[in-house]
Amino acid sequence: DAKTTQPPSMDCAEGRAANLPCNHSTISGNEYVYWYRQIHSQGPQYIIHGLKNNETNEMASLIITEDRKSSTLILPHATLRDTAVYYCIVRGNYGGSQGNLIFGKGTKLSVKP
Amino acid sequence: DAMVIQNPRYQVTQFGKPVTLSCSQTLNHNVMYWYQQKSSQAPKLLFHYYDKDFNNEADTPDNFQSRRPNTSFCFLDIRSPGLGDAAMYLCATSARLAGVHEQFFGPGTRLTVL
Repeated sequence: DAKTTQPPSMDCAEGRAANLPCNHSTISGNEYVYWYRQIHSQGPQYIIHGLKNNETNEMASLIITEDRKSSTLILPHATLRDTAVYYCIVRGNYGGSQGNLIFGKGTKLSVKP
Repeated sequence: DAMVIQNPRYQVTQFGKPVTLSCSQTLNHNVMYWYQQKSSQAPKLLFHYYDKDFNNEADTPDNFQSRRPNTSFCFLDIRSPGLGDAAMYLCATSARLAGVHEQFFGPGTRLTVL
């Protein structure tokens, strides 16, 4: 089972920041938080990952709380092309089953003009 | 540039008629995965190959098999498709199993079972 909880859906106005929350209260010390998104009829796409520090790349920022029990993915200026299902995944650092991606239900983000 | 390629994008088969889906990659990654995604559901891992080592998820039905003849190609065989096997099948690759890494997904093959 997925170890994360996300709201099923969110709306965001085009050009605004989209803040997608994720709860992972049972995360363990060697587990990373990964974010993927899936645009309709496409395969999932990697966005970003983090362990405990905040991370930023060209796509998004990831803010992880100090206790690591929750995180927020931030798309700073959402566009219509960011409309997708966003998956927050907790994944172990080692091989075997804990290294697998276990997808939860995700958050369907709708960016509106 | 295409990195993970899945053919065909759409496949129609008949109930009980064996079908093979294919995946190829230009990334030279060691690991290849197959996921099943049913309508309005999240992707679910079926199995993966690490080089030639095959790893089946515990709840993957025996009806699903896989072959990896070389690093670049991986096939999903469904021996006797049922109506419940209609889904999007996603292939993904990664450089390694352990450590921090991302998976690269193909566009998927949508399977219809008549």
